[in-house]
Amino acid sequence: EPEVTQTPSHQVTQMGQEVILRCVPISNHLYFYWYRQILGQKVEFLVSFYNNEISEKSEIFDDQFSVERPDGSNFTLKIRSTKLEDSAMYFCASSDSRGPGNTIYFGEGSWLTVV
Amino acid sequence: DAKTTQPNSMESNEEEPVHLPCNHSTISGTDYIHWYRQLPSQGPEYVIHGLTSNVNNRMASLAIAEDRKSSTLILHRATLRDAAVYYCILRRFGNEKLTFGTGTRLTIIP
Repeated sequence: EPEVTQTPSHQVTQMGQEVILRCVPISNHLYFYWYRQILGQKVEFLVSFYNNEISEKSEIFDDQFSVERPDGSNFTLKIRSTKLEDSAMYFCASSDSRGPGNTIYFGEGSWLTVV
Repeated sequence: DAKTTQPNSMESNEEEPVHLPCNHSTISGTDYIHWYRQLPSQGPEYVIHGLTSNVNNRMASLAIAEDRKSSTLILHRATLRDAAVYYCILRRFGNEKLTFGTGTRLTIIP
C-alpha cells in the first residue's frame, strides 16, 4: 500500500540552527500538508500546499517556517532558526484531491528535539 | 466551526465490539464526519468518513444519527492493535483542514 515517508525519523538540533524535514508524499497526490504535535498535546495544522504554492497556513506557520517542493517527489519543511518550543513531532501528509470528503494520508513523523 | 465532543477514554475487551460516540450538535448540512486514529508513536491514520448515510469499510463502520447531531464509530471485533486515540473531526468546504481535538483514548483489555 502506498505510504507517505518522512526523514529523518528523529533529529536533535541546537537552538538557532536551521532544520529541514523531508517528506515523500504518495506518488499521484497533489495536495500536501504539514502538521505537528508537541508532546502530550493535540495534533496541529501548520500548512497546506498545492500547485507549488501555499493554499492555507496557520498562525503557527510564521516567517521562520517555509515549505518547498524542490522536485517531483519531495516536499520539505524548513525551520530557519529553531527555538526550544519547536520541539515536536512533525507529520507530513498528502491527498489526491481537495474537498471535505477526501482522505488525508499521514507519514510516521519526524521527531525534532531542539536543545 | 462546528465542534465535536468525545469521551476522554474508553475501555473494551479484546474480541468484543467497540462503540465510540461523538456528539456534534452544531453540525451544518455540508459538514463531513471523519474519524482518524493515532496509534502510540505513529502518525494519524484515516479510519472512515461519511456525510449522511451509514458507512462500512474494512476497518470499521460509521453510524450517523438521523439528525446528524451525533455519530458512532463501530469496531466490530477489537484487537490489541486497535488501542489508540480516536478522533472525530468535522470538515466542510472552504475549511477542509483536519482540526484535531483531544479524542478518545481506547484501551483494549486482553
